[in-house]
Amino acid sequence: DVQVLESGGGLVQPGGSLRLSCAASGFTFSNYMLTWVRQAPGKGLEWVSTISASGGAIYYADSVKGRFTISRDNSKSALYLQMRSLRAGDTAVYYCVKDRGSGSSYGMDVWGQGTTVTVSS
Amino acid sequence: DIQMTQSPSSLSASVGDRVSFTCRASQDISHFLAWYQQKPGKVPKLLIYAASTLQSGVPSRFSGSGSGTDFTLTISSLQPEDVATYYCQNYNSVPYTFGQGTKLEIK
Repeated sequence: DVQVLESGGGLVQPGGSLRLSCAASGFTFSNYMLTWVRQAPGKGLEWVSTISASGGAIYYADSVKGRFTISRDNSKSALYLQMRSLRAGDTAVYYCVKDRGSGSSYGMDVWGQGTTVTVSS
Repeated sequence: DIQMTQSPSSLSASVGDRVSFTCRASQDISHFLAWYQQKPGKVPKLLIYAASTLQSGVPSRFSGSGSGTDFTLTISSLQPEDVATYYCQNYNSVPYTFGQGTKLEIK
């Protein structure tokens, strides 16, 4: 079964850091682009960051640029999101999402269950 | 950045009705558009990619059309299990922006 599973969410104080992980299985991990999408409570979907299959191309939303770092370890079939200088506005469910493409997006076909990040004092 | 605007923001229809939602891109995105369905309390699911290609396993009552800046998602005969919020997404270029969603309810 093709699946991705996030972990690492939790409660963190403003200004703090958190590292999310995503473990993938059931597909050739190194062949696909991966993305983090978040959803604040009661709100819509927000694209956060994307990394190409090789890791050579990385993109960020302006709202997280300079604070978040996406990375992947193809030998471990794992995706990461290092989040620093967290703000209340970063509070959301964070989804790890597999793309249909490798270097360019062709639509996001496999979504994890999400991990919740709460930024609060 | 490309902005994605969905209309209406909410829609109420009866079982068996034909319903349509629209999505407008602020710039030409060719056919690089996806539609996602998110049922209440659930994870989003890919319905359609390349504006009109049905993802495997998605019922044939769903269809997509459009190119350039104007796109439509149609459900030919609304079923109770179609209650959800539907999102369009640009994947022509980053940022891969989502529309704000259309919430579909049953009358």
